[in-house]
Amino acid sequence: NAGVTQTPKFQVLKTGQSMTLQCAQDMNHNSMYWYRQDPGMGLRLIYYSASEGTTDKGEVPNGYNVSRLNKREFSLRLESAAPSQTSVYFCAGRPGQQNTEAFFGQGTRLTVV
Amino acid sequence: AQKVTQAQTEISVVEKEDVTLDCVYETRDTTYYLFWYKQPPSGELVFLIRRNSFDEQNEISGRYSWNFQKSTSSFNFTITASQVVDSAVYFCALSGGSTGGFKTIFGAGTRLFVKA
Repeated sequence: NAGVTQTPKFQVLKTGQSMTLQCAQDMNHNSMYWYRQDPGMGLRLIYYSASEGTTDKGEVPNGYNVSRLNKREFSLRLESAAPSQTSVYFCAGRPGQQNTEAFFGQGTRLTVV
Repeated sequence: AQKVTQAQTEISVVEKEDVTLDCVYETRDTTYYLFWYKQPPSGELVFLIRRNSFDEQNEISGRYSWNFQKSTSSFNFTITASQVVDSAVYFCALSGGSTGGFKTIFGAGTRLFVKA
């Protein structure tokens, strides 16, 4: 039982390049999330998907797009990477209920040069 | 607006010392949920506890205990007899109410170093 799996674990991009971060969960979670973690700022919500077929913006959505491909998968796309998007990205899932604890992936360390 | 403040950026203790990590939150809502997560050096985030705003009972789990005080808007976390394996970044978080149950606000985190 893998839980929440993110790929890749590390990535270096050049400014202006695009990429998609993949996330898959096998815990039957209804809601899924993308966060970014920056030093001294905790985790900030980029986008979330309350259920399959829906997505909503979080605190810092600019420069990102998401796709909830099916119940298991929730991808995050950077269309034109910028150095300000250098961060550690975490995908998470929650059971159907709101306000429950989140289960996180291992993180993706992204550097944009 | 909702906010979570973890004023302690870093704490360093010697093994077997007790240590308390502070968490102060701001919300105008009457129903909300508080969480603590641990992020060890390996990087993953691990859930530790959830508390709802109507339950002010303190909780103890082994060497861990949590003190929730609505009067001071605090949800502090104490590790008794700390161990090297407790070295991690600890995050306090808040959800519910006006942010909605899907959006969780995290504090900036407290990095705990436990020296042998």
